[in-house]
Amino acid sequence: DADVTQTPRNRITKTGKRIMLECSQTKGHDRMYWYRQDPGLGLRLIYYSFDVKDINKGEISDGYSVSRQAQAKFSLSLESAIPNQTALYFCATSDFVGEAFFGQGTRLTVV
Amino acid sequence: AQSVTQLGSHVSVSEGALVLLRCNYSSSVPPYLFWYVQYPNQGLQLLLKYTSAATLVKGINGFEAEFKKSETSFHLTKPSAHMSDAAEYFCAVSDPATSNTGKLIFGQGTTLQVKP
Repeated sequence: DADVTQTPRNRITKTGKRIMLECSQTKGHDRMYWYRQDPGLGLRLIYYSFDVKDINKGEISDGYSVSRQAQAKFSLSLESAIPNQTALYFCATSDFVGEAFFGQGTRLTVV
Repeated sequence: AQSVTQLGSHVSVSEGALVLLRCNYSSSVPPYLFWYVQYPNQGLQLLLKYTSAATLVKGINGFEAEFKKSETSFHLTKPSAHMSDAAEYFCAVSDPATSNTGKLIFGQGTTLQVKP
């Protein structure tokens, strides 16, 4: 089994719809992250969490929210999806140094 | 604020040729440095990391990188490219000043093409 599992892998949704991306990990790390990948921009941090009671905004958190349901689970929500949120989304977990383990990604298209 | 610059969004080499992917960072304090590889339709996989030990770091699949503080660089090299090396490569840093967060700052990525 993969260390970090994301569901769904692909999703097409309509503008204005609410959508949730889910992530679970088996590495036992406390730190979990959501990144967004856009061509030519690399990966940018949306939110990160140290534990279920510690959630922090990243550089591009507007329009997104997260929930840390357990040490192993970290979900990302788009409350009202818009087309410029079309991107590849990655969940990751890491140790304190930053050696991260990534999920396979969720390709989200907002039409 | 930390930033990472990868010179060249696309690099093309012939099979068997040297691979050189460039990465420069901005920081007054030597950060932790990483190279990740992304194969098509997959997540990112760690190639190698620098965490203030040896400046020449060896990674998987024959890749290595050298940390040069004076040049604020962490270029990735491989002596002989293989077709299977075709992928996108990302340089990333985490800031020791805030290193307990594990947050990574990524470069823009470099797509490596390997020609037969």
